[in-house]
Amino acid sequence: DAKTTQPNSMESNEEEPVHLPCNHSTISGTDYIHWYRQLPSQGPEYVIHGLTSNVNNRMASLAIAEDRKSSTLILHRATLRDAAVYYCILNSGGYQKVTFGTGTKLQVIP
Amino acid sequence: GAVVSQHPSRVICKSGTSVKIECRSLDFQATTMFWYRQFPKQSLMLMATSNEGSKATYEQGVEKDKFLINHASLTLSTLTVTSAHPEDSSFYICSARGQQDMNTEAFFGQGTRLTVV
Repeated sequence: DAKTTQPNSMESNEEEPVHLPCNHSTISGTDYIHWYRQLPSQGPEYVIHGLTSNVNNRMASLAIAEDRKSSTLILHRATLRDAAVYYCILNSGGYQKVTFGTGTKLQVIP
Repeated sequence: GAVVSQHPSRVICKSGTSVKIECRSLDFQATTMFWYRQFPKQSLMLMATSNEGSKATYEQGVEKDKFLINHASLTLSTLTVTSAHPEDSSFYICSARGQQDMNTEAFFGQGTRLTVV
């Protein structure tokens, strides 16, 4: 699996935007960029995914660099419920297994 | 979105006994499911890939005779921890993906907290 690199932890003030970076310099042409998050004592939850173009959904936005070697998950207004570990994962789809790195622990400060 | 349900959410068992954890895909068929284990303050570690109608594929270092996986239908996979010991205490999570020919997201169960005493 191609590897991703994320900061171990980040902080954000409540109601401020949060930009969570992910580096994936060895990404292949068929790899999609997936983001999941895990709240304490729960299973991971899908956030967003994309291939080349930026993506938006009700939870977040995903900005993908032109060379695809990095991406940024954007939470437009952080809430206390967004405090979680965020995982950036590369996956070429189908029934390929999802392998987790260490992720970024996001702390939201009231 | 699609839902994956795990049962039980918590279980406490005595050392030496076996525990079965169920993982169900509620509104889609899952030919393949995945089992993960997560220790405190660590990331998820993939244990095995569960294939409907065939033997599971285990990751390196995971004992297949200790962690028995059965995937008898397109909506149910079970993980049995046999002869459990305190070091098997962990958070076990299953996952499934609904479609083979699209890059769809993976769906995860809510996890099972196993405590072996």
